[in-house]
Amino acid sequence: AQKVTQAQTEISVVEKEDVTLDCVYETRDTTYYLFWYKQPPSGELVFLIRRNSFDEQNEISGRYSWNFQKSTSSFNFTITASQVVDSAVYFCALRISNFGNEKLTFGTGTRLTIIP
Amino acid sequence: DVKVTQSSRYLVKRTGEKVFLECVQDMDHENMFWYRQDPGLGLRLIYFSYDVKMKEKGDIPEGYSVSREKKERFSLILESASTNQTSMYLCASRGQGIQNEKLFFGSGTQLSVL
Repeated sequence: AQKVTQAQTEISVVEKEDVTLDCVYETRDTTYYLFWYKQPPSGELVFLIRRNSFDEQNEISGRYSWNFQKSTSSFNFTITASQVVDSAVYFCALRISNFGNEKLTFGTGTRLTIIP
Repeated sequence: DVKVTQSSRYLVKRTGEKVFLECVQDMDHENMFWYRQDPGLGLRLIYFSYDVKMKEKGDIPEGYSVSREKKERFSLILESASTNQTSMYLCASRGQGIQNEKLFFGSGTQLSVL
């Protein structure tokens, strides 16, 4: 069975600080996909990134970066120079690559508050 | 703009009522999903559908059923609502294939069962 753990329930940082959201996953499959989604106060989850298990390259998109390490089964998300608009609940998720298996297993989420 | 629309943002029902939650997507997506979101539990999959009239149970299907008569519409049904079904319900859709891994979500329906 798959599992995603986001140990940080809530984080608060002052604007312009950097912040890292942790995600640890468990799966026995060798082919899988990892995701991050953002849920702002409006409630609608927004896709941020997808990573497959064969691609361990770190990724940077503007102020966002992701660190994927298979050795520690982690897929951490860093926001650099945080802004108030980054305040949201962030979910990490995992999907294994079985044909017909459309299930996405989500973590419990990390609520990030950026203090102006 | 692509859109997943859930019919109600807030809903209050009484125990034992039959409840319909509607979801419509305008992206011609094959796959549609119903999740519930509870504090401390994250999102849990109730049911999903990969085609019209097809459905698959998710992780917590008990007490729920679904209907997908048309490609764009996926309904979640609570046959006899109970207080433990008070939750935020999220609908999502996505296309087929590896290149369409992104889920598009609706804004959610906060259901309160009294």
